[in-house]
Amino acid sequence: TQLLEQSPQFLSIQEGENLTVYCNSSSVFSSLQWYRQEPGEGPVLLVTVVTGGEVKKLKRLTFQFGDARKDSSLHITAAQPGDTGLYLCAGESWEGAQKLVFGQGTRLTINP
Amino acid sequence: ETGVTQSPTHLIKTRGQQVTLRCSSQSGHNTVSWYQQALGQGPQFIFQYYREEENGRGNFPPRFSGLQFPNYSSELNVNALELDDSALYLCASSKRTSGSYEQYFGPGTRLTVT
Repeated sequence: TQLLEQSPQFLSIQEGENLTVYCNSSSVFSSLQWYRQEPGEGPVLLVTVVTGGEVKKLKRLTFQFGDARKDSSLHITAAQPGDTGLYLCAGESWEGAQKLVFGQGTRLTINP
Repeated sequence: ETGVTQSPTHLIKTRGQQVTLRCSSQSGHNTVSWYQQALGQGPQFIFQYYREEENGRGNFPPRFSGLQFPNYSSELNVNALELDDSALYLCASSKRTSGSYEQYFGPGTRLTVT
């Protein structure tokens, strides 16, 4: 069974600080996606990384896929209160069906 | 907005009852997947439908079943509801390509079983 572990599960920091969220697995994934979810809403896709070692930037967010395609990280620079939310990583899996395997999420709170 | 819609938004049922949740996929998307998200957890894959047939299933019992219609919309049915079925049920649509696999989620249906 493929599993993704996210850390930390909860993170509360002050506005302007930097942070990194990690997503780790012992399994290789075809691609890895990061989502952000607001309370009462579905996850919204932020980025997809496909190639080992790939780095993608989305404004102040930097996403990296590990060389072995088993892990990923999300780095936020100068966090703002609007970054508050649940961040989910999800690996593309072909075990049984083409599906996403999700981590348990990182609940991020940015305090003004 | 992703263009994926789900109904109803919220639902309260009693243990032992049956429930049907509905999903309309994004235009041009022929694959629908259903996920269960318990409070404080990441979504878990229930099953996927492609061309009106189940195309893979996660670790959920047979009382979880589904349908896909010719217009690619889908239903999730749950029989003999249990308290642990209380969760946010997410529908995601996607288009099969040879490239990376991206799913677009609806807002979810919050099911409470009492």
